[in-house]
Amino acid sequence: EPEVTQTPSHQVTQMGQEVILRCVPISNHLYFYWYRQILGQKVEFLVSFYNNEISEKSEIFDDQFSVERPDGSNFTLKIRSTKLEDSAMYFCASSEWDQETQYFGPGTRLLVL
Amino acid sequence: GDSVTQMEGPVTLSEEAFLTINCTYTATGYPSLFWYVQYPGEGLQLLLKATKADDKGSNKGFEATYRKETTSFHLEKGSVQVSDSAVYFCALSSSGGYNKLIFGAGTRLAVHP
Repeated sequence: EPEVTQTPSHQVTQMGQEVILRCVPISNHLYFYWYRQILGQKVEFLVSFYNNEISEKSEIFDDQFSVERPDGSNFTLKIRSTKLEDSAMYFCASSEWDQETQYFGPGTRLLVL
Repeated sequence: GDSVTQMEGPVTLSEEAFLTINCTYTATGYPSLFWYVQYPGEGLQLLLKATKADDKGSNKGFEATYRKETTSFHLEKGSVQVSDSAVYFCALSSSGGYNKLIFGAGTRLAVHP
């Protein structure tokens, strides 16, 4: 069964450094999403992406964040200058043309020191 | 705005006990409703869904019925197993827009032999 994959599974970085989290969505899916889950808290929507542009973003998704689909298969989330409070599990998700169901990847656990 | 409220956990049950995890929602329009499960150390897996009022979603012995009159989507299972121990998230996908998921806080279930 096709699945969403994410790399790396864990990333440790220093505050102020840039990080890029990578996702490979399911191949025939058209809509892509990033969510995050700070330890012990609820899963929060960050951004949705369709047709090579952002379709919706949350208040969390400020100028430090960007997304890109560089090559038709990968979908990346960049955090330009990480802060301590960016430490979280980041989930990528994708859905088909009808957007009915989102399928999640296993997540990348980001720790900012 | 749209929101999801789940009963607080943890819920601790003995094997073969009956499970109910309450979920209520607030939304404009006609959302789709979902239960996702997160096993220890893993990502989010779709457990079941319902897309319109009175629909019943079911999977792996779990069931939930979309009740528009009470704005609820309670998760039930007749006989839980130790392997059901996980965190369960209720979520909605609002109609219109690009269908971001809005999650409840999650309910941790621990099943003991």
